[in-house]
Amino acid sequence: EIVLTQSPATLSLSPGERATLSCRASQSVSSYLAWYQQKPGQAPRLLIYDASNRATGIAARFSGSGSGTDFTLTISSLEPEDFAVYYCQQRNNWPLTFGGGTRVEIK
Amino acid sequence: EVQLVESGGGLVQPGGSLRLSCAASGFTFSNYWVHWVRQTPGKGPVWVSGMNPDGSSIRYADSVKGRFTISRDNAKNTLFLQMNSLRAEDTAVYYCARAVGSGSHSWGQGTLVTVSS
Repeated sequence: EIVLTQSPATLSLSPGERATLSCRASQSVSSYLAWYQQKPGQAPRLLIYDASNRATGIAARFSGSGSGTDFTLTISSLEPEDFAVYYCQQRNNWPLTFGGGTRVEIK
Repeated sequence: EVQLVESGGGLVQPGGSLRLSCAASGFTFSNYWVHWVRQTPGKGPVWVSGMNPDGSSIRYADSVKGRFTISRDNAKNTLFLQMNSLRAEDTAVYYCARAVGSGSHSWGQGTLVTVSS
């Protein structure tokens, strides 16, 4: 099973700042990595698929990069609605696996 | 509009059974892999099971293998999850999802399963 390790666990930032979230895979997942945002009481929302492609309707301030085992989600300038939990997920190998999450909180 | 609506959750005793359903609409259901993903409060999502468009390929997480059975009815645009021998650790919100992690990804709002005596 591919283990996805997200860091940091918590990121404390102010609106307008840049957020950089990391996801490291225990073995290569090629570019088959996705990023989700989740707010309390809601299902996770897909932000990025295949490492760098924004999902439909996702703001341009969200971008993804990486391949192989190291991936990054960048939020260029945090908006108030961006404070949430973010998960990465791989679909290169069975079983599909998710990371443990990074909480982006208001500083 | 793509919609996935789960139903069938509830309270069940350890060792009991439950059958979840997911009604799909707004897309050609028979063209997609569909999955079940679960999540407990405060934890990340966990993939449970997936099935290919014609049902010929099925995958399970080790934690549910032999206890859960995924199935689909393409004529009725519906996905199922038969859950037997339920344990306390199966307590979670269960989401039905289309094409997890791809550009075609979508999922429902979930149904809560609570396993408790």
